[in-house]
Amino acid sequence: DAKTTQPNSMESNEEEPVHLPCNHSTISGTDYIHWYRQLPSQGPEYVIHGLTSNVNNRMASLAIAEDRKSSTLILHRATLRDAAVYYCILIPSGTYKYIFGTGTRLKVLA
Amino acid sequence: DSGVTQTPKHLITATGQRVTLRCSPRSGDLSVYWYQQSLDQGLQFLIQYYNGEERAKGNILERFSAQQFPDLHSELNLSSLELGDSALYFCASSLPGQGAYNEQFFGPGTRLTVL
Repeated sequence: DAKTTQPNSMESNEEEPVHLPCNHSTISGTDYIHWYRQLPSQGPEYVIHGLTSNVNNRMASLAIAEDRKSSTLILHRATLRDAAVYYCILIPSGTYKYIFGTGTRLKVLA
Repeated sequence: DSGVTQTPKHLITATGQRVTLRCSPRSGDLSVYWYQQSLDQGLQFLIQYYNGEERAKGNILERFSAQQFPDLHSELNLSSLELGDSALYFCASSLPGQGAYNEQFFGPGTRLTVL
């Protein structure tokens, strides 16, 4: 299974954009890139996913490098509620197994 | 609220005992997944069921077993419990279709404490 590498922690000021990086240099052509986040004392929550093109939804944007070896989750205006652990996961097409790494703990400063 | 329910919320038991955790998926979801989250291991995939049948297996111990019933709810059975089994156990569900395309909706978890 292809692995992802994320920084252990990041900090951001409230109402500023946040760019959370993820490296996945061994990604294969059929691997989808998913992002989940886990707020304190809650189960993980889906954020966004993509294959090759950049994606936007109401929560965030996902920027995928042209060679697909890295991606960036963009929160356009961080709020205190966005403080969570963010997981970048690669999911091969046709599989059902999510392998979570250690994620990035995002701290948002008021 | 994800629509996935898990009971009980907390469970305290002793080593050597057996417990059953229950999960009800979102309406319409056929797939159920079980995860274990402990402090030292992070979030680990255990097993997945699709419409009553086992579909994928992860790092699930032989002392653990699961099943999905005709009404699609699922149970995770943990037996011969050890101190190291203390963890948060999450259930998730998803729509039919390939895992890569569909998001998983996670329940609030069951916190198991083995004394």
